[in-house]
Amino acid sequence: GAGVSQSPRYKVAKRGQDVALRCDPISGHVSLFWYQQALGQGPEFLTYFQNEAQLDKSGLPSDRFFAERPEGSVSTLKIQRTQQEDSAVYLCASSLGGTLNQPQHFGDGTRLSIL
Amino acid sequence: AQSVTQLGSHVSVSEGALVLLRCNYSSSVPPYLFWYVQYPNQGLQLLLKYTTGATLVKGINGFEAEFKKSETSFHLTKPSAHMSDAAEYFCAVSDRGGYQKVTFGTGTKLQVIP
Repeated sequence: GAGVSQSPRYKVAKRGQDVALRCDPISGHVSLFWYQQALGQGPEFLTYFQNEAQLDKSGLPSDRFFAERPEGSVSTLKIQRTQQEDSAVYLCASSLGGTLNQPQHFGDGTRLSIL
Repeated sequence: AQSVTQLGSHVSVSEGALVLLRCNYSSSVPPYLFWYVQYPNQGLQLLLKYTTGATLVKGINGFEAEFKKSETSFHLTKPSAHMSDAAEYFCAVSDRGGYQKVTFGTGTKLQVIP
């Protein structure tokens, strides 16, 4: 497809389990962003990649959160030892470059529920 | 730190009526400003953005917004609401320099009444 693809769309995990969320950006897009959207809130920035380089991870809430983009394309957001407060929609966005003249294209998100 | 405040978490309008969604920003220098729309169970779609130049910005689906520096506002309007406009709308702000790190508001859910 032509858009940003995220999988799985829904994920249910028990507290303490590890989860991995995948993002397939639009082909050729250099920039990739992860956001966390809690229920009833706006998205909050987690981390930013330019190609394979993670240039900003200031939004990751704890060291249980880890993101990678090893070949500069697909990205994975991993959450270790999940907690109930990790329940949220995780959004991925990509853009052609790093400037604001090129819009971010969002995926439909992964809804994570921690029981 | 930059931030945006959206006034009203829920707004209801009648079909055909004016849509007005309010957004005020906080920034030491004029930032870049955005409006996004989110339909249920979907990601965000950019409606419009203000970076420089004309302060009245036109976007998709008949929406527009006006940057008012004196009021630190960037309100979103549409002259006539359609049923298909029912969605959640997010105002967002970004620094002028660097990459596109965007800070979102808490959102306004728009209900359109037939």
